[in-house]
Amino acid sequence: ETGVTQTPRHLVMGMTNKKSLKCEQHLGHNAMYWYKQSAKKPLELMFVYSLEERVENNSVPSRFSPECPNSSHLFLHLHTLQPEDSALYLCASSQEPGHNTEAFFGQGTRLTVV
Amino acid sequence: RKEVEQDPGPFNVPEGATVAFNCTYSNSASQSFFWYRQDCRKEPKLLMSVYSSGNEDGRFTAQLNRASQYISLLIRDSKLSDSATYLCVVLSGNTGKLIFGQGTTLQVKP
Repeated sequence: ETGVTQTPRHLVMGMTNKKSLKCEQHLGHNAMYWYKQSAKKPLELMFVYSLEERVENNSVPSRFSPECPNSSHLFLHLHTLQPEDSALYLCASSQEPGHNTEAFFGQGTRLTVV
Repeated sequence: RKEVEQDPGPFNVPEGATVAFNCTYSNSASQSFFWYRQDCRKEPKLLMSVYSSGNEDGRFTAQLNRASQYISLLIRDSKLSDSATYLCVVLSGNTGKLIFGQGTTLQVKP
């Protein structure tokens, strides 16, 4: 059983829809991340949260809106997405950002925008 | 230039072979280095950290060359179960920003 759980595992949405991805970590970590993995591309860091505070936003379009209500939960709210946003969205957590600690990933949400 | 570069492969090797992957990074201030493994349609998982003195874990050996800014992963006596994509990962700065390479795909054949 993974310590980082993501829902849903698969999502198909239209360009006018609004949906949210959910991530929960059961590891007591202080840092959480959203990554995007497109086909044949490296993982791209989208957002970093440390103790519920956003510490990094990697020039992500505003149609992606993160929310971190507490250190165990992370959401990614999606609206008016484009077909090129179709990808695997991975949530990760680590004990602390900026330290030599392992990042644990959830199984990801495979998003298709039609 | 990409921050972390890897040869995407695929590397096709027979069982029992020894295979080596290299990875180069552009930021000389990078602090920590890792190899992650990602199976098809699964999430990445830490394989091993890479230390300056080099480190070994069973059939896997990782080495770091700071002067040349490259990291290597050596797999001895390849198993079918080693088939996966191996991601070179570099930790930059104090924000915990992990920079991932594109990954190198390994396919071990019987």
